Amino acid sequence: RKEVEQDPGPFNVPEGATVAFNCTYSNSASQSFFWYRQDCRKEPKLLMSVYSSGNEDGRFTAQLNRASQYISLLIRDSKLSDSATYLCVVNGGGYQKVTFGIGTKLQVIP
Amino acid sequence: NAGVTQTPKFQVLKTGQSMTLQCAQDMNHEYMSWYRQDPGMGLRLIHYSVGAGITDQGEVPNGYNVSRSTTEDFPLRLLSAAPSQTSVYFCASKAQGSGGPPDTQYFGPGTRLTVL
Repeated sequence: RKEVEQDPGPFNVPEGATVAFNCTYSNSASQSFFWYRQDCRKEPKLLMSVYSSGNEDGRFTAQLNRASQYISLLIRDSKLSDSATYLCVVNGGGYQKVTFGIGTKLQVIP
Repeated sequence: NAGVTQTPKFQVLKTGQSMTLQCAQDMNHEYMSWYRQDPGMGLRLIHYSVGAGITDQGEVPNGYNVSRSTTEDFPLRLLSAAPSQTSVYFCASKAQGSGGPPDTQYFGPGTRLTVL
């Protein structure tokens, strides 16, 4: 089993739709979790951290489920500008334990 | 602040050639790292540094060398390029102030390397 698994997609959704991505991780001792956004041929940029209590930033909501070992990202009212690849990042502790998922590609269609 | 800068943006090498990918940051970050990104795979850590004079290996260090003589610069050297090193290379940095392992990293724009 991979340390971090994501559905690569693509997820094609119409503007205004709600879309959710999940990411599973295998190391139950993982300490911190993040979603990064990567635009085509660009560098990854931090979108948001993920906390056990869940956190929201505008149209974006991230949640962590430690019991089932997954994190999720919910995007409401999708915009064309949300089209990107969303990377799940899990920190298992220590500099070498930061693992990136392969990313989920989102394409928002007019 | 320019943030994290990388040069060159694109590079084509022949098998066996050597070269250095440059990375610099102006945020006074202590932690710097190099990743490679290949299709169908997540970013993989090549080497990292927690401060000037200190470097360590990541997940895929073979064929690469690094050094950290200053806080600002963290060059990555390909010793003898191979087609398997064709990839996109990202440099990243993070402030050490919060302590603990890296989380919020700032990435450079990447170098697209092709080895023929």
